[in-house]
Amino acid sequence: GAVVSQHPSRVICKSGTSVKIECRSLDFQATTMFWYRQFPKQSLMLMATSNEGSKATYEQGVEKDKFLINHASLTLSTLTVTSAHPEDSSFYICSARTLGGTDTQYFGPGTRLTVL
Amino acid sequence: GQQVMQIPQYQHVQEGEDFTTYCNSSTTLSNIQWYKQRPGGHPVFLIQLVKSGEVKKQKRLTFQFGEAKKNSSLHITATQTTDVGTYFCAGPTNAGGTSYGKLTFGQGTILTVHP
Repeated sequence: GAVVSQHPSRVICKSGTSVKIECRSLDFQATTMFWYRQFPKQSLMLMATSNEGSKATYEQGVEKDKFLINHASLTLSTLTVTSAHPEDSSFYICSARTLGGTDTQYFGPGTRLTVL
Repeated sequence: GQQVMQIPQYQHVQEGEDFTTYCNSSTTLSNIQWYKQRPGGHPVFLIQLVKSGEVKKQKRLTFQFGEAKKNSSLHITATQTTDVGTYFCAGPTNAGGTSYGKLTFGQGTILTVHP
């Protein structure tokens, strides 16, 4: 149980384009989903907290207009990187917390974004 | 702000040797969690510790939660090549008394096991 999928797993795009990443909880409902960014050999950096039916809460220093988050249902959250630039290249990982659950987070497999 | 420190950053061991990673929080934690991330993979939940002084075992892995609930350790006995990866500890983020489910992760310990 507690499986989270993420799509796409890998994307290469040109500078200036927008990229949408989907995060789905497959076998449970997630009131809260989290979006992280991870650089090589570094820890997870929380970007934002996504709550179903409400606006996402962004961490300090994360541009909300650049990283658009939508949590339309209890099983789906999307992250759109708008007008991507090479410095946005990174590994983006989502996680989900179960409805009424503990603080435990279940992670998706991640999306490797490369902006040329 | 709240900090979760983890040491060492890197650990290289020969297969069969033991391994320990340590986690220290600047604040008292309601619980601590451990995750493992294989190279090229994503973090996978290993365990959650809740009680002061709690010790849990998963085969060759032993997890401890300190009496003051501010530190924790993960010990692997007789490492195997399958243990390779980055081990993260994480505690609920203390944001004015409410965490909203957010976790603060340690920097991680990258374990390399030489056959």
